[in-house]
Amino acid sequence: EAGVAQSPRYKIIEKRQSVAFWCNPISGHATLYWYQQILGQGPKLLIQFQNNGVVDDSQLPKDRFSAERLKGVDSTLKIQPAKLEDSAVYLCASSLIQGTRGNEQFFGPGTRLTVL
Amino acid sequence: QKEVEQNSGPLSVPEGAIASLNCTYSDRGSQSFFWYRQYSGKSPELIMFIYSNGDKEDGRFTAQLNKASQYVSLLIRDSQPSDSATYLCAVLGYTGGFKTIFGAGTRLFVKA
Repeated sequence: EAGVAQSPRYKIIEKRQSVAFWCNPISGHATLYWYQQILGQGPKLLIQFQNNGVVDDSQLPKDRFSAERLKGVDSTLKIQPAKLEDSAVYLCASSLIQGTRGNEQFFGPGTRLTVL
Repeated sequence: QKEVEQNSGPLSVPEGAIASLNCTYSDRGSQSFFWYRQYSGKSPELIMFIYSNGDKEDGRFTAQLNKASQYVSLLIRDSQPSDSATYLCAVLGYTGGFKTIFGAGTRLFVKA
């Protein structure tokens, strides 16, 4: 079974530029998550999708971050314009369902973003 | 503000010893509990999950849950240098939807 795929793996941009990340979840997984992980911290949820609907985006800085999950499969996360503090690893994860059981999340390799 | 607290470590244990990792959470209504291992520069990987009070064993790993004390732990028996990593505790609760909160992680170092 293929895991969660993400691209690119690394990205270096200058502040005020824009960047986009792509995620393909495990086949059949209804729930998709985007996390931001800053060095030394745990993953922080940015947005959670159930199929193609948003479940939680309370911690997404909506003035600069956007995300979509078209057709309930692939997802993209965009930052525009980027700030220095956006430097982090962006992790995509998926789980089979959303509920008290079957919620185990599987992570992709992440995208390491450096903003100069 | 729902929180998941872990000692950041590092926790250092000799090879072959038992490593004990602890996690407390603030949401009394939390439903499910997960332990992820994260090697440096890698993404988290799931190693254990537990739903009910008590112990759950899987190979060298044992997860322990005490909902009354809002406490979950991970024991690693016969620790190996390859167990050296950051261990993340994650807690699933329901607040307008199922939401998972991660702790900051405990760094474990197993000395050969």
